[in-house]
Amino acid sequence: GAVVSQHPSRVICKSGTSVKIECRSLDFQATTMFWYRQFPKKSLMLMATSNEGSKATYEQGVEKDKFLINHASLTLSTLTVTSAHPEDSSFYICSAASGNYEQYFGPGTRLTVT
Amino acid sequence: AQTVTQSQPEMSVQEAETVTLSCTYDTSESDYYLFWYKQPPSRQMILVIRQEAYKQQNATENRFSVNFQKAAKSFSLKISDSQLGDAAMYFCAYRSFDNYQLIWGAGTKLIIKP
Repeated sequence: GAVVSQHPSRVICKSGTSVKIECRSLDFQATTMFWYRQFPKKSLMLMATSNEGSKATYEQGVEKDKFLINHASLTLSTLTVTSAHPEDSSFYICSAASGNYEQYFGPGTRLTVT
Repeated sequence: AQTVTQSQPEMSVQEAETVTLSCTYDTSESDYYLFWYKQPPSRQMILVIRQEAYKQQNATENRFSVNFQKAAKSFSLKISDSQLGDAAMYFCAYRSFDNYQLIWGAGTKLIIKP
């Protein structure tokens, strides 16, 4: 149980375009989802927390207009990187949490902006 | 605010031997959870072991065990009979009792020598 999927696993996009990453909880309802960014050989950096049906809460220093988060249902959250630039290239990980406060992690998405 | 410190950027161990990864944390809370996560080259975050602060007994999961010293705010991970598949980044994390958010350590890269 407690499986979280992410799609796509890898994406390459051109500078200036937007890319959407999906995070789904497959066998449970996620009241809260988290989006992390991970630089090479570094720890996870929390970008934002989203609750179903409400606006995401962004961490300090994260541009909310660049990283749009939508948590439209109890099983789906999306992260859209708008007007992507090479410095947005990174590994993005989502996690989903149910009522017991435990986070379950997706497999991550590698974004490369050329 | 809570902090988590992993002072060993990298550790290596001979296959079949035992290795201990260190983690210290700072908090003023009395109830909380501590975790060790493994991130292999696939980059999927895998929960290794979980410790509830109110439990004095150290958690164990097969070859993985922790030494939880609440007064010293120390939470080390011992891996016995190390296997090649144990090679990964290991992250220590803290969570408050009634909060979703995880506070992450910087990680320790574990190398297994055959």
